[in-house]
Amino acid sequence: NAGVTQTPKFQVLKTGQSMTLQCAQDMNHNSMYWYRQDPGMGLRLIYYSASEGTTDKGEVPNGYNVSRLNKREFSLRLESAAPSQTSVYFCASSEYGPNEKLFFGSGTQLSVL
Amino acid sequence: DQQVKQNSPSLSVQEGRISILNCDYTNSMFDYFLWYKKYPAEGPTFLISISSIKDKNEDGRFTVFLNKSAKHLSLHIVPSQPGDSAVYFCAASGGNAGNMLTFGGGTRLMVKP
Repeated sequence: NAGVTQTPKFQVLKTGQSMTLQCAQDMNHNSMYWYRQDPGMGLRLIYYSASEGTTDKGEVPNGYNVSRLNKREFSLRLESAAPSQTSVYFCASSEYGPNEKLFFGSGTQLSVL
Repeated sequence: DQQVKQNSPSLSVQEGRISILNCDYTNSMFDYFLWYKKYPAEGPTFLISISSIKDKNEDGRFTVFLNKSAKHLSLHIVPSQPGDSAVYFCAASGGNAGNMLTFGGGTRLMVKP
């Protein structure tokens, strides 16, 4: 069972470059999320998609865009990367909402130089 | 201002003893609380949850206690095992937070053999 798959696992960018983080889940979940994890800050929600065709801002959306391509896939785009976006990014999914258990991918370590 | 706080960044416990991880929250509208466990280089995994209508929930070696008047929850692990060594995040949802899950900063638990 693949669960939630994120690519890439590691990425180094220069300031101003753009990139897209890909996420796919095979559990037929309705809701998908993007979090970033920074030391001492826990996980902070960037964007979420409660269902296919909808997206909403989370706690820290500035500098990011998302696309819910279909029920399986939810991508996160950095249009112009900044050093402050150096972080570990996690994609997650749940059947309906955050009160149910979230299933997380293994993360993407992103460094912006 | 962090609405969910884990004031102990780390905790060291002897194998077989009890581990107690604490979490405080400030938003009285939160009505659902979860604990996640994270190993290095992996995504967090769901551990246990509790609704605000309860004050205790137990699952094997793991028990979560909720004190609504103090806005405090704790996770008890009895007996602690070396495999429990990980970072533990508490999280909360509900009220005006809607579909967002707010995480604490995490506590690193080390269980010594």
